[in-house]
Amino acid sequence: DGGITQSPKYLFRKEGQNVTLSCEQNLNHDAMYWYRQDPGQGLRLIYYSQIVNDFQKGDIAEGYSVSREKKESFPLTVTSAQKNPTAFYLCASSIGDVINEKLFFGSGTQLSVL
Amino acid sequence: LAKTTQPISMDSYEGQEVNITCSHNNIATNDYITWYQQFPSQGPRFIIQGYKTKVTNEVASLFIPADRKSSTLSLPRVSLSDTAVYYCLVGDGYGQNFVFGPGTRLSVLP
Repeated sequence: DGGITQSPKYLFRKEGQNVTLSCEQNLNHDAMYWYRQDPGQGLRLIYYSQIVNDFQKGDIAEGYSVSREKKESFPLTVTSAQKNPTAFYLCASSIGDVINEKLFFGSGTQLSVL
Repeated sequence: LAKTTQPISMDSYEGQEVNITCSHNNIATNDYITWYQQFPSQGPRFIIQGYKTKVTNEVASLFIPADRKSSTLSLPRVSLSDTAVYYCLVGDGYGQNFVFGPGTRLSVLP
């Protein structure tokens, strides 16, 4: 089945620790995205990538980093600089730059601070 | 970027038709209207997309008036499993420009 796989489902971070969230897609999509969702809120864009080896900051990029070395993969690192990392993180992909763009989402990673 | 406004919450009973309206007064010529559904602890799922008039699929219908300044998602005969948050998005094809507001929290009661 084609889709987006996020792992792990749950992740715990200690103070001062960097953690990496995995996102893999086999939809052959060019574009990939990372969103953060806080309880009862909408999604906020952290980073996005329209093509391999290129990515752009979204609305709340501070304290996060990404890489896009392969078309299928777009890992997100939550660094120690992110002081309030507890949230639900969602990865998405899309064909990229078509007029009727649709986003396809993974099942999410819940990150909590110990 | 076209901003959308939709009700924060709605209640319905099983078997009823539910209509959720979204306002997007500054929609641009090339913008499409897309609706997503999100269950707790899951990623949003695409429901339906349209540009004008009416679109229908196996899950829902989308009604868009001629001026395109609003749209209505119609869910026929809802069940308990339709309890979710529904997001209305307006955009022209650049995924990073889609803005997810708080959505509409639909509660279906028995």
